[in-house]
Amino acid sequence: GAVVSQHPSRVICKSGTSVKIECRSLDFQATTMFWYRQFPKQSLMLMATSNEGSKATYEQGVEKDKFLINHASLTLSTLTVTSAHPEDSSFYICSARSFQGMDSPLHFGNGTRLTVT
Amino acid sequence: KQEVTQIPAALSVPEGENLVLNCSFTDSAIYNLQWFRQDPGKGLTSLLLIQSSQREQTSGRLNASLDKSSGRSTLYIAASQPGDSATYLCAVLMDSSYKLIFGSGTRLLVRP
Repeated sequence: GAVVSQHPSRVICKSGTSVKIECRSLDFQATTMFWYRQFPKQSLMLMATSNEGSKATYEQGVEKDKFLINHASLTLSTLTVTSAHPEDSSFYICSARSFQGMDSPLHFGNGTRLTVT
Repeated sequence: KQEVTQIPAALSVPEGENLVLNCSFTDSAIYNLQWFRQDPGKGLTSLLLIQSSQREQTSGRLNASLDKSSGRSTLYIAASQPGDSATYLCAVLMDSSYKLIFGSGTRLLVRP
């Protein structure tokens, strides 16, 4: 089946630094990828929708200058948390569609646990 | 704005019990509804997907039902096992977009 690889699985960084998270579709081309954030014991909240070759679409309340998304190829999307602060500590998960259309299943990465000290 | 609610938030049962997890949503204009499993610190595993025109889906010991008009779905787990312990999330895909909107999940513990 379709596999989405997310890296790193865990990262600890100091406040003020930037962190990049990669999301790769290993055996399919993903024209659309989604980035979610999950706080402890809470649900996944959609942050942004990433389309290959175009700017990401951010959900209301998500700072696009803080969470930079790049979808430069059909198999890779990156999320960069800029000038991270402790409140950015969370679990970030990406997902990708294997083809266009509402019937396309979503495949999820295993997530990245970000801790900002 | 679509809101997805899951009840109960947490559930602890002895091994072998049959159980029901509930999911409700406020906007019935959904394309499909999906149930996922999430293990601690991990990503999501899709369990069952029900199209808006369907009433239920079954996979092994799992059965999911959908009543779109009333905005409800249930996930039935038969003969629960300790390996079923995880968080179960329901999510709806809206008719108008590709966005999945998740509920807050039910944390299930099946005691040996």
